[in-house]
Amino acid sequence: NAGVMQNPRHLVRRRGQEARLRCSPMKGHSHVYWYRQLPEEGLKFMVYLQKENIIDESGMPKERFSAEFPKEGPSILRIQQVVRGDSAAYFCASSPLLGGAVPGELFFGEGSRLTVL
Amino acid sequence: QKEVEQNSGPLSVPEGAIASLNCTYSDRGSQSFFWYRQYSGKSPELIMFIYSNGDKEDGRFTAQLNKASQYVSLLIRDSQPSDSATYLCAVRNAGGTSYGKLTFGQGTILTVHP
Repeated sequence: NAGVMQNPRHLVRRRGQEARLRCSPMKGHSHVYWYRQLPEEGLKFMVYLQKENIIDESGMPKERFSAEFPKEGPSILRIQQVVRGDSAAYFCASSPLLGGAVPGELFFGEGSRLTVL
Repeated sequence: QKEVEQNSGPLSVPEGAIASLNCTYSDRGSQSFFWYRQYSGKSPELIMFIYSNGDKEDGRFTAQLNKASQYVSLLIRDSQPSDSATYLCAVRNAGGTSYGKLTFGQGTILTVHP
């Protein structure tokens, strides 16, 4: 049973380019969450999605950042016109709609590490 | 005031000692509480969860919750060098039980030295 899959694991972009990070949730999970982690800091919530719906985007920067979780395919976090401050690890997590061994547990992927030159 | 705040680290304990990690939260209506462990460069993994006031034990780990004081802690008994990691406290706010975002603290770095 594959876990949460994220790619790319490492991404290097120059200032002004676009970064696209992909996340496939665990099989049977319908909720996806994106978090950002700066070096030696905790996880900062960005956005929570279900298929074709954004449920909570209260942590998303107002500009340049967008997220989607289409009916088919992975969830995508898109960062346009990247700046050096966007350099961070971006973690995706998923959870099932109901139940699970631990109600409310989030299962995390290995993260995508973005470096902006 | 931060929504979820952990005691500042880093925390260093000798092998075999008890490590005590603390966390406070601001939303009095929070429903569920989690402790994640994150090794350097790796993803967070769940090690403990607690929903009710009191203590919950699982092997060498004990989670303690006091909703009146808005306080949750993690005790690690007989600490091992392999316990060296960052420990993240996470809280699910009121209204969410089985799903919904978790709010994380800034993490406490624990080092267990031989």
